[in-house]
Amino acid sequence: GAGVSQSPSNKVTEKGKDVELRCDPISGHTALYWYRQRLGQGLEFLIYFQGNSAPDKSGLPSDRFSAERTGESVSTLTIQRTQQEDSAVYLCASSLVLSWNEQYFGPGTRLTVT
Amino acid sequence: GQQVMQIPQYQHVQEGEDFTTYCNSSTTLSNIQWYKQRPGGHPVFLIQLVKSGEVKKQKRLTFQFGEAKKNSSLHITATQTTDVGTYFCAGQIGANNLFFGTGTRLTVIP
Repeated sequence: GAGVSQSPSNKVTEKGKDVELRCDPISGHTALYWYRQRLGQGLEFLIYFQGNSAPDKSGLPSDRFSAERTGESVSTLTIQRTQQEDSAVYLCASSLVLSWNEQYFGPGTRLTVT
Repeated sequence: GQQVMQIPQYQHVQEGEDFTTYCNSSTTLSNIQWYKQRPGGHPVFLIQLVKSGEVKKQKRLTFQFGEAKKNSSLHITATQTTDVGTYFCAGQIGANNLFFGTGTRLTVIP
């Protein structure tokens, strides 16, 4: 594909519901990253996948957050029992081969928890 | 706590004036990256600096990496309205940790 794609672009959910966010990285990119960006704030690292290695989950804010990746393609970020403080834009990025190299960001999913 | 600090948080300049944002870390960085995020958009990679004291230029943008690899700056000469956005630095600490600064939001007044 031309770039990183994410879906949905917007998600409104009720507090307590589960949500699943999807990321399609650039074809051939082995590294994939999830970030959270609260309104007016910087990027907060959540989780990172590199090839077939176990993901680096050090940034996940709580056990309500989890992520999976199928091989070197699609990734899903799941937030269980959503809370209002989970409202943010969730950004996915991918990079070619090397870890933490130049990252290409997707358009993000804007999550609103009511 | 915040690993990478960035200042200022906001900057308003008249079109044609210069602009600088600074990034500081208490820990030596493996490399530093700079991103630009237009209002309503996603971050776009600008550049990566790796070597101590490195200076790189992209047209009106000048990027510097400190000798101790703990600080960096982005300087824009003669700002234009197209420069509007938030500029983020991201410092890599070790092999697998990338920390983004809080960003500097630049407003250019025509």
